[in-house]
Amino acid sequence: AQSVTQLGSHVSVSEGALVLLRCNYSSSVPPYLFWYVQYPNQGLQLLLKYTSAATLVKGINGFEAEFKKSETSFHLTKPSAHMSDAAEYFCAVSKRAAGNKLTFGGGTRVLVKP
Amino acid sequence: KAGVTQTPRYLIKTRGQQVTLSCSPISGHRSVSWYQQTPGQGLQFLFEYFSETQRNKGNFPGRFSGRQFSNSRSEMNVSTLELGDSALYLCASSLGGGETSNEQFFGPGTRLTVL
Repeated sequence: AQSVTQLGSHVSVSEGALVLLRCNYSSSVPPYLFWYVQYPNQGLQLLLKYTSAATLVKGINGFEAEFKKSETSFHLTKPSAHMSDAAEYFCAVSKRAAGNKLTFGGGTRVLVKP
Repeated sequence: KAGVTQTPRYLIKTRGQQVTLSCSPISGHRSVSWYQQTPGQGLQFLFEYFSETQRNKGNFPGRFSGRQFSNSRSEMNVSTLELGDSALYLCASSLGGGETSNEQFFGPGTRLTVL
């Protein structure tokens, strides 16, 4: 079975500082990988996805993630945090098969300090 | 294009009752997936429907069921509610079909509270 581990349930960053959220997955075959963001009282919004094209994936709002097969990682970064980045972030994987079953990590809540 | 809509947004029920939640996908999307989000268990996959057929199923008891209509709208039903069923239920739609990384678009969720 696939699993996703997000290191750190809470991360605090200063405005303008680097945001780094860690995600590791376990899968015998490289899966599809996703990062979603959830703002309070809202659903999930896709930030970016990896589907076996370029290993460095650029997403919305200045976020990017790098797929590293040797490390089974898909860490999310943003060079300069903005107050609006305060939210919960979820890493997710799905198998390369028909269907849309997403397996999510536990989530990382980001706090941005002025 | 309208996004994924879920009704109702908030619901309060008592133990033992049943509840039906509704999800209207984005126009043209044929796949609808349901997820349960709780503080303790996080986001968990319930099931996925594609062209009125259940295509994937998570590890939930039979009290949780769903269906999809010919217009792709979906409902999920929870019978004999338990306190632990209190959660945010999220619906996601996608184009569906084939071995592809279909992007799933999530609705705002239905917040179910069981008393």
